[in-house]
Amino acid sequence: AQSVTQPDIHITVSEGASLELRCNYSYGATPYLFWYVQSPGQGLQLLLKYFSGDTLVQGIKGFEAEFKRSQSSFNLRKPSVHWSDAAEYFCAVAAYNTDKLIFGTGTRLQVFP
Amino acid sequence: EPEVTQTPSHQVTQMGQEVILRCVPISNHLYFYWYRQILGQKVEFLVSFYNNEISEKSEIFDDQFSVERPDGSNFTLKIRSTKLEDSAMYFCASRPRRGGDEQYFGPGTRLTVT
Repeated sequence: AQSVTQPDIHITVSEGASLELRCNYSYGATPYLFWYVQSPGQGLQLLLKYFSGDTLVQGIKGFEAEFKRSQSSFNLRKPSVHWSDAAEYFCAVAAYNTDKLIFGTGTRLQVFP
Repeated sequence: EPEVTQTPSHQVTQMGQEVILRCVPISNHLYFYWYRQILGQKVEFLVSFYNNEISEKSEIFDDQFSVERPDGSNFTLKIRSTKLEDSAMYFCASRPRRGGDEQYFGPGTRLTVT
């Protein structure tokens, strides 16, 4: 069965520091991979997605993620975090032949000035 | 930019009551979804809907749940007889086509069952 693991429940960084949020998935074939962000009181906004091709994908708000098949990982990165990046981040996976997204438990990011 | 909207933002109901959560997907989208997130837990898939019928549902989506697209714009989730454990944030999502595209999520409806 497909699953997504986000090992870090809560991460705190200083503004301007670099960020890496971890995501590991379990799926037999190449999955579709997503990162969503949820700000308080808001819905889930797509940051970036990977379907195929270049394993380093660029997203909105300066985020990028790298698909590593050998490690079953899709970690999210940002070189310099802004206070407005404080939010909950969700990694998700979908198979080609199913409609549903399977989400990880999320990582709450806190940014200190 | 078009977006998915949901009403109400917060619904409080008593156990055993029926609730209807409403969603207006993006207008040219064809695939519609409901997810829920119990406080402190992960977002879970409930159901997907296409061409006026359910295309996939999870084991959570039992006989107490139903979905409907009553007109060309709304997509509703009905819980027939609410239980305390139905308290959660419910997200609606839509997608223009299957495969190769992301789902666009609404802001959610927080359902509190007392």
